[in-house]
Amino acid sequence: QVLLQESGPGLVKPSETLSLICTVSGGFTNNYHWNWIRQPAGGGLEWIGHIYTSGTTYYNPSLRSRITMSLDTAKNQFSLKLSSVTAADTAVYYCARDYYNFPFDYWGQGTLVTVSA
Amino acid sequence: DIQMTQSPSSLSASVGDRVTITCRASDNIKTYLSWYQQKPGTAPNLLIYSVSTLQSGVPSRFIGSGSGTDFTLTISSLQPEDFATYYCQHSYNTPRTFGQGTKVEIK
Repeated sequence: QVLLQESGPGLVKPSETLSLICTVSGGFTNNYHWNWIRQPAGGGLEWIGHIYTSGTTYYNPSLRSRITMSLDTAKNQFSLKLSSVTAADTAVYYCARDYYNFPFDYWGQGTLVTVSA
Repeated sequence: DIQMTQSPSSLSASVGDRVTITCRASDNIKTYLSWYQQKPGTAPNLLIYSVSTLQSGVPSRFIGSGSGTDFTLTISSLQPEDFATYYCQHSYNTPRTFGQGTKVEIK
């Protein structure tokens, strides 16, 4: 059974950088994409980007200039940094796994990040 | 980017009803289409992938169909635990995108 768990600050000030970590247990193996997806309160799902097990990244063009993703295979973790945040970045952030053109089969429980002074 | 458009955005139905949700892609996504169910306060749960393949453990009352740009999720006989929000999502290319969701409410 694969488990994903997000962690990080729940409150970030405007203009600062949001930093989250996803810890994977039970299957941090090769050939998967490790994704970040977010959902504002009462809203839909927005794919932020993913990092492949090789370290290759692909970011949503709408957020690309502000995103950095990285991988720490020794710790079975991958991370998200989103810079210059505003209130519009307030959302529940999920990490999730997919494989090539297959869907997101495992998700973390999600973590709420609020951007506020 | 490929846009995914779901309809309706919400619907009211009774237990036992047959419910249909549609999803249209702005470009041909072949069969790279999945459906998720989300209940309040929880992560989305994968129901169907590759248009019509049920994820392990998903009841057979959930039926997916379609190809190319037009897809459908049918719940053949709505059960109390099916009241939730449903999202379609393509995995044809990146960026991955989701439909805006369809909320299924109790009539």
